[in-house]
Amino acid sequence: RKEVEQDPGPFNVPEGATVAFNCTYSNSASQSFFWYRQDCRKEPKLLMSVYSSGNEDGRFTAQLNRASQYISLLIRDSKLSDSATYLCVVRETGANNLFFGTGTRLTVIP
Amino acid sequence: EPEVTQTPSHQVTQMGQEVILRCVPISNHLYFYWYRQILGQKVEFLVSFYNNEISEKSEIFDDQFSVERPDGSNFTLKIRSTKLEDSAMYFCASRTTGVGNYGYTFGSGTRLTVV
Repeated sequence: RKEVEQDPGPFNVPEGATVAFNCTYSNSASQSFFWYRQDCRKEPKLLMSVYSSGNEDGRFTAQLNRASQYISLLIRDSKLSDSATYLCVVRETGANNLFFGTGTRLTVIP
Repeated sequence: EPEVTQTPSHQVTQMGQEVILRCVPISNHLYFYWYRQILGQKVEFLVSFYNNEISEKSEIFDDQFSVERPDGSNFTLKIRSTKLEDSAMYFCASRTTGVGNYGYTFGSGTRLTVV
């Protein structure tokens, strides 16, 4: 059973491009949703939480569709520093741990 | 910005040896976790710890693993008899309590290599 599924990529985009990542989760009782960023051989770092109404943080926009069990992340005006693996992360209702997707690798090209 | 501290950053051990990985969670956090990531694979949950006891554990966390909070600041993961397949990056994480979409803060990890 794959709790959280992501397209592994890689996504190679030029600087300034807009790129979108998608994620699906299997448990409809999932309660909390996050996007984390992981640089090579480093720890996951919280990029943003994902709220039901959708939320934006600068160039990053996250959307949640509970009916379809689908989460997205949109990055506008990509920077070289955005190159990383983006992890879709879900916490189920009543659970105290996180389920991670395998991550989507993004490379922003000059 | 408060951070989770892990030591050592890299540990090499022989198969069958015991290892202890150490973590200092953020001081006002109440929930503590260990996760691992085998090279090229996803991050996997091992165990969560709250109020001085294990609150959840995964199938990976078998009798060879144990956790302890020996004092007010450290949180340790012990692997009693390491196997080659225990080679991975081990991340400690902590979070505060409360409701809502609270994020977990991860430490920089310990890379365990079993030879």
